[in-house]
Order: sequence, then C-alpha cells, then structure tokens
Amino acid sequence: DAGVTQSPTHLIKTRGQQVTLRCSPKSGHDTVSWYQQALGQGPQFIFQYYEEEERQRGNFPDRFSGHQFPNYSSELNVNALLLGDSALYLCASSLLRSNYEQYFGPGTRLTVT
Amino acid sequence: KNEVEQSPQNLTAQEGEFITINCSYSVGISALHWLQQHPGGGIVSLFMLSSGKKKHGRLIATINIQEKHSSLHITASHPRDSAVYICAVWNRDDKIIFGKGTRLHILP
Repeated sequence: DAGVTQSPTHLIKTRGQQVTLRCSPKSGHDTVSWYQQALGQGPQFIFQYYEEEERQRGNFPDRFSGHQFPNYSSELNVNALLLGDSALYLCASSLLRSNYEQYFGPGTRLTVT
Repeated sequence: KNEVEQSPQNLTAQEGEFITINCSYSVGISALHWLQQHPGGGIVSLFMLSSGKKKHGRLIATINIQEKHSSLHITASHPRDSAVYICAVWNRDDKIIFGKGTRLHILP
C-alpha cells in the first residue's frame, strides 16, 4: 500500500515563473492538504481539498492555487514566484471523517532564484 | 506571540538520557499532534491527543487541557531519535497550527 507521494523531489525556478507540484494521496484517502515549510520554521497550512473543491484555506495569497482530480490526487500551483516562496512544500492526505489523522508525503523542496 | 510555542528550540543530550519537549498553546483546541521530522523533510505522526496520556515504545505524550500544555518524553534516548519534533494543534475552526519545532540531537 503506497503512502503519500509527491513530485518532483526538488525544483529550482526563477522569480516570476510559475510552478506546479503534485501529490498522490494514500490509498483510500479522499482529502488532501498542502503546507509550506520555510527553513527553520514549522509548516503553515495553505489549503485543503475534498471532493475536488477547496474546503479550507490558510493565509496565502491568490498566487497559490490548487486542484483535486477525480482520483483524489492534487496539484499545487504557484504563480509569479517570489524569492520568499522558497520552501519545502508538504502534502498530507486523510479521510475527511478523520481529518486529524493526516499522513504526510516526503515533500517537494522549491528553490526560487 | 505564536499560538503554539515549543521549548526548547534546540536540545543536545547524551545517549540514554531522558528527554522532555514542551508545547504550550493559546487557542482552544480539538486535538494536539506530536510529529517527527527527519532531515530530508518527511513527517511522521507520533501521537494524536485530546486528553490524558499516550505511550508508544519509549515515547510518552501527555496533555493538560486546563493548562494548555503538552509534553513529549523520550526514555532511554538513542542517536536515531535525532530529529525535529513538532507540536501541532487543531483549533475549533478545524485548522491546524504548527509550532516551530524542537531540534533534538542525541550524541552516542
């Protein structure tokens, strides 16, 4: 049973570019959450998707958008990249009815130069 | 002031020592999580608590809802316990708030 997977592992982008990160949830899970973790900080909640809709959102600008597909996989898109967007992006999956039990992926490390 | 505060920020100890990491929060919560993050980024959930105490192997987690405080204890610490330990709470709006983490280094 595969756990949560994320791709790519590492990514280097230039300021102003756009990036798409991908996440496949643990088998059987229907909810995907995205987090940003800057170096030396705890993760911060970006948003959560359930049934292909954004269910909750943290304090992130509209440059951060997402999508959930019918197979429950998800994408995180960031437009007009800033240097400050450099971080580890974590995806976690869960069942909505037991949302507190989240399983985390290995993360995608994004560097913006 | 952060809604979730952890102490200490960094901790170095000798193998075999008893370790305590503390977490204080200022919001009403539905549940509290202790997470472990190894170099490279992957996060593993250790405990989810809403009251009392839980034990798993050498790890013990406690929570005092009235005092808004939780502790993670590691008995007979080992170098493989070296990691960042993160406290996270679920607030009443069902949103998760993370602490900044405690970086633990166990020396052999």
